[in-house]
Amino acid sequence: DAKTTQPTSMDCAEGRAANLPCNHSTISGNEYVYWYRQIHSQGPQYIIHGLKNNETNEMASLIITEDRKSSTLILPHATLRDTAVYYCIVPLAGNQFYFGTGTSLTVIP
Amino acid sequence: EAQVTQNPRYLITVTGKKLTVTCSQNMNHEYMSWYRQDPGLGLRQIYYSMNVEVTDKGDVPEGYKVSRKEKRNFPLILESPSPNQTSLYFCASSPFPLAGGGNEQFFGPGTRLTVL
Repeated sequence: DAKTTQPTSMDCAEGRAANLPCNHSTISGNEYVYWYRQIHSQGPQYIIHGLKNNETNEMASLIITEDRKSSTLILPHATLRDTAVYYCIVPLAGNQFYFGTGTSLTVIP
Repeated sequence: EAQVTQNPRYLITVTGKKLTVTCSQNMNHEYMSWYRQDPGLGLRQIYYSMNVEVTDKGDVPEGYKVSRKEKRNFPLILESPSPNQTSLYFCASSPFPLAGGGNEQFFGPGTRLTVL
């Protein structure tokens, strides 16, 4: 069962791309990678998920390496409202979610 | 409006006094889950349910009970609360079990519990 490691914190200038890395070196072949974010103490918000291929939606892009051992969440044009804690998650035993402590992203004006 | 609701949002209680935090979703989701969040420890899963009458332990189930008698409700029960259960609690639901299908979880607003 895969757990993930992320940097504790990152800064990004407003308007620039924010690239948040995640390591999941023990991921299994059929396990998805999910990204969520949490603003202050609100409930976490789903961002994106992927299995093998890169994914893009209206919020972000997800780049998964070919060996699937790591991934990067990209916020193409970070705004102040993107300041949050970002969690990279691989479900344990299929249906357990281990959030960890995530990456605290601060977008700087 | 599609949502996950939790009640109460804030609760202060005393050690040993049984309490229930309710969770309800109006999206006909099969999967529901409870998490607690503590400073420096992130969100940790307490229990989850794949469907009615099916529940499983998460990372930190000790001191908690759950039940899933109907699809929309997934109450969290603390039979004898202790101060170490002081935390921020989140309920979440998902259309299908998470394995293999890649579905997002929808989270409730949270319940801040203080046990004195």
